[in-house]
Amino acid sequence: DAGITQSPRHKVTETGTPVTLRCHQTENHRYMYWYRQDPGHGLRLIHYSYGVKDTDKGEVSDGYSVSRSKTEDFLLTLESATSSQTSVYFCAIRATDTQYFGPGTRLTVL
Amino acid sequence: SQQGEEDPQALSIQEGENATMNCSYKTSINNLQWYRQNSGRGLVHLILIRSNEREKHSGRLRVTLDTSKKSSSLLITASRAADTASYFCATDRGGGSNYKLTFGKGTLLTVNP
Repeated sequence: DAGITQSPRHKVTETGTPVTLRCHQTENHRYMYWYRQDPGHGLRLIHYSYGVKDTDKGEVSDGYSVSRSKTEDFLLTLESATSSQTSVYFCAIRATDTQYFGPGTRLTVL
Repeated sequence: SQQGEEDPQALSIQEGENATMNCSYKTSINNLQWYRQNSGRGLVHLILIRSNEREKHSGRLRVTLDTSKKSSSLLITASRAADTASYFCATDRGGGSNYKLTFGKGTLLTVNP
């Protein structure tokens, strides 16, 4: 699993509340990615990071922000959660031309 | 928009049979990768094929790449019940795109004992 952990693993929240998901890696990889996975859509890239404080938008970034203040942590924030953001969120790191994924966070927005 | 599209969306076979999944993509790539996802788990990398390669093997996996047709296939030989999972192709356009992967929607493979 390339030393990738995600927290929390499950979360239920209410519409309009802010939510922060954490991705932690132990191997100092430069590139980190946040995806969401929904039925019928596969994985879609939300945001990614190519270094500390270096981030950029992916395919479905609206309503999300990220921060990376140190190499090992990449945070995904839903500024004001909506029901359409109910999904499974995966973090990944890039190593040797491939990506290694964390176990995922299942988020439900009521 | 999705870069890779897998075909078929679902495939059901008997143990011991071969399973073939196809992936088509739209733009030039640096490499194409296949991942497996067991239900409720994260994705696991299976195999990577570079744009200058035509075929690659890893154990019971065989991947082909045809850049002129922008397509790839994944063959799993002598399938086992444990191969039951979703399989995704992902395209990588290289360093100029910060190694972002674009995933297809996946093929759900069911191997019946």
